[in-house]
Order: sequence, then structure tokens, then C-alpha cells
Amino acid sequence: DVKVTQSSRYLVKRTGEKVFLECVQDMDHENMFWYRQDPGLGLRLIYFSYDVKMKEKGDIPEGYSVSREKKERFSLILESASTNQTSMYLCASIRGTTQTEAFFGQGTRLTVV
Amino acid sequence: RKEVEQDPGPFNVPEGATVAFNCTYSNSASQSFFWYRQDCRKEPKLLMSVYSSGNEDGRFTAQLNRASQYISLLIRDSKLSDSATYLCVVNIRNNDMRFGAGTRLTVKP
Repeated sequence: DVKVTQSSRYLVKRTGEKVFLECVQDMDHENMFWYRQDPGLGLRLIYFSYDVKMKEKGDIPEGYSVSREKKERFSLILESASTNQTSMYLCASIRGTTQTEAFFGQGTRLTVV
Repeated sequence: RKEVEQDPGPFNVPEGATVAFNCTYSNSASQSFFWYRQDCRKEPKLLMSVYSSGNEDGRFTAQLNRASQYISLLIRDSKLSDSATYLCVVNIRNNDMRFGAGTRLTVKP
């Protein structure tokens, strides 16, 4: 059974804290993604990675960075958390071809206070 | 301009109704297209891929119009269990996947 696992379901952090969201997949997929989902805005792409140590900016990279040191793990970093980063964060992975299904983690609900 | 635009909904339909969702995309070089379903408080899951020739899976029909850059999803004979948010997804290049904002469907008895 394929699996994408996010490290936390719920997280509460203070403004200014550095926050790490971790995502691990066990399918040997090349591509991994971080999205945030907000009501009325759908899923917006923050960053994606198509290989180890490779990353590409999505639509809303400001205030975020990512790390992909190993193929199975893709980390999202909030350098200095702000209240407007309160959101649902979803990680996804797909194999390295264009006609394949994306698998999602269960999501992390982050609240910044 | 957004890469992918969807009907905002919400759609509230009775059981047995036929409902259609549309989605437009801006990048003419987009390579592949999908519909995902997302239940409340759950992650999105693939419903079906969309092919140029159109494709059908039971009560669901997906179509792609490359010339007009839109895709559609038709649900026939709606069931209560079809209630969910439907997300249009476009792979614009090298697995850069972009999602529409989603259309919420509620099927009522």
C-alpha cells in the first residue's frame, strides 16, 4: 500500500518561530510537492522537487524554503512563521512521468498564533 | 492569471441529477489532465485521468478540449456519496502539477 506520511496532523506555533514540516514517501517517487490549501483558494503550489537536492518555486514560495537531501523526504521550512501562514499544508509525490497519479499525505493543519 | 480556473460552485443537486463541472487552463503546452476528489477533512485522491478522446468510468465522463483549453467532468445519476469537492489538475510541464480551487458538490436526498 503506497504511503505519503506527514510528520504532524496538527501543529501550533508562535509568530517568529522556525517551523519544519516533514514529508516521507515510500514509493521511490522522483517528484515531491508542497501545497497549502485555504478556503476558496484551493491548493496552491509552494515548492516542488524533481530530484534530490533539486527544487523549483511554485506560485507562492515567499516565506518558505525546502530541503530534499534524500529521495524519500521533502521538508518544508517556514523561516519565521507568521499568522498568514496559518493553513492546511499538503505534501504529494508522483513518479517521474506525466500521466501518473499523485499521492497525498494526510495534511498538517498549522496554526500560527 | 491563474494557471487553472474552475467553476466556484457550490453545486447543490438532488439525487439522480446530472451535473457538469468545467475547468480552464492557461498554458497551451500543458501535458496531462486529471480530476481529483477531496472529501471533507481528507486528502485529495485521483478520480480519473482525462484523455484527448474523452473517457468514461461508470457514471463519470471526462473530456478535454485542447483548442479551447478546457476540461470537463460529467456525473450522471448523482448519488449522496458523490458529495465532495472536485479538483481539476493540470500537469503543465515536468510534473509541475497545478490545481484548480475546487468545486463543491452536495447531493441531497
